Amino acid sequence: AAGVIQSPRHLIKEKRETATLKCYPIPRHDTVYWYQQGPGQDPQFLISFYEKMQSDKGSIPDRFSAQQFSDYHSELNMSSLELGDSALYFCASSSGDRGSTDTQYFGPGTRLTVL
Amino acid sequence: GQQLNQSPQSMFIQEGEDVSMNCTSSSIFNTWLWYKQEPGEGPVLLIALYKAGELTSNGRLTAQFGITRKDSFLNISASIPSDVGIYFCAGGYGNKLVFGAGTILRVKS
Repeated sequence: AAGVIQSPRHLIKEKRETATLKCYPIPRHDTVYWYQQGPGQDPQFLISFYEKMQSDKGSIPDRFSAQQFSDYHSELNMSSLELGDSALYFCASSSGDRGSTDTQYFGPGTRLTVL
Repeated sequence: GQQLNQSPQSMFIQEGEDVSMNCTSSSIFNTWLWYKQEPGEGPVLLIALYKAGELTSNGRLTAQFGITRKDSFLNISASIPSDVGIYFCAGGYGNKLVFGAGTILRVKS
């Protein structure tokens, strides 16, 4: 079965540069979530989109922004990168009854290293 | 906000042994999910629980949604070396997930 696709899988940037991470959800999934995971930590929710509209916001820095496009793929844009932004970034997707908690399926992640 | 207490933090067991881990919270959740994560990879969904009291199996894995909706456990029977990894519980409310801190499982063959 098709899974969540993320690109790139690895990214190395310098401080103060910008980065764009892409996520392609499972076909027919309408909701996309972004998470950040530091070493030895659990995934921390950043932001989510449902039907191309932002649905929830977590601990996402103001330097980051994201959007979901008409084909449901999503991009996380990160500017003025800091050393502390080095982490694994996961995208998850879901589809379901809006009245229930959707089951989220995670992508393989993008490892961002800021030098 | 919601917080989950996942225990144990780590386990080092002999191949063939059974494993049990759990998550508790002071908050009520609508969904409990269990994920396994291997180094550098994304969390892989193992079991999803949607109803209080629900008991679900997936091969050697069994998980239950606590009747109070504040806890869940995951059992792995007859562990094998490929069970190694980090197991996360996640409680769902609304459209959000809250993750436990993870249980690191190591299996000695």
